[in-house]
Amino acid sequence: QKEVEQNSGPLSVPEGAIASLNCTYSDRGSQSFFWYRQYSGKSPELIMFIYSNGDKEDGRFTAQLNKASQYVSLLIRDSQPSDSATYLCAVYNNNDMRFGAGTRLTVKP
Amino acid sequence: GAGVSQSPRYKVAKRGQDVALRCDPISGHVSLFWYQQALGQGPEFLTYFQNEAQLDKSGLPSDRFFAERPEGSVSTLKIQRTQQEDSAVYLCASSLYEGLSYGYTFGSGTRLTVV
Repeated sequence: QKEVEQNSGPLSVPEGAIASLNCTYSDRGSQSFFWYRQYSGKSPELIMFIYSNGDKEDGRFTAQLNKASQYVSLLIRDSQPSDSATYLCAVYNNNDMRFGAGTRLTVKP
Repeated sequence: GAGVSQSPRYKVAKRGQDVALRCDPISGHVSLFWYQQALGQGPEFLTYFQNEAQLDKSGLPSDRFFAERPEGSVSTLKIQRTQQEDSAVYLCASSLYEGLSYGYTFGSGTRLTVV
């Protein structure tokens, strides 16, 4: 079992819809959780981080964390074609950041 | 500099050749990380520096891989006797904080192709 699991996709949503990206992790001691966006041929860029159970909103993005279920998700509201990218979930514990393989999202105009 | 700078951007090496990849982190960033990203995969941890100290090198895949950060700023990842399985994008990331992470800033990466 991988330490950080994501559905590889591709996930396809129409423009204006809500895109829901999911991630599960195995290390119960994990302290913080990150979502990175990676465009093809580019490096990952941080879009959200969350430490506490519940929801955290930043513009069109909402991160959700449930430590009991070892589950973290990212919602993208009003999806735009420019949101088309691979979204990487990352889990941090004691100077050790582990990444999932990423979910490829396509937003169709 | 304004961001994490990596060079070269692309490197083609013949199998058996030694290569050196450079990372220039954001000025003042204490923590520096190297990751290896194979095509279609997420980044895999290689090694971590806090200033000049290499605190974790557990991700280095073999003794052909060596990293250093002698003055606590620029870091070099060296791969000796490259093999085809070393072909990947090598990402460097830095973080202002030591210990608890608030997320990393990644460089553009070096795409290594071993032929």
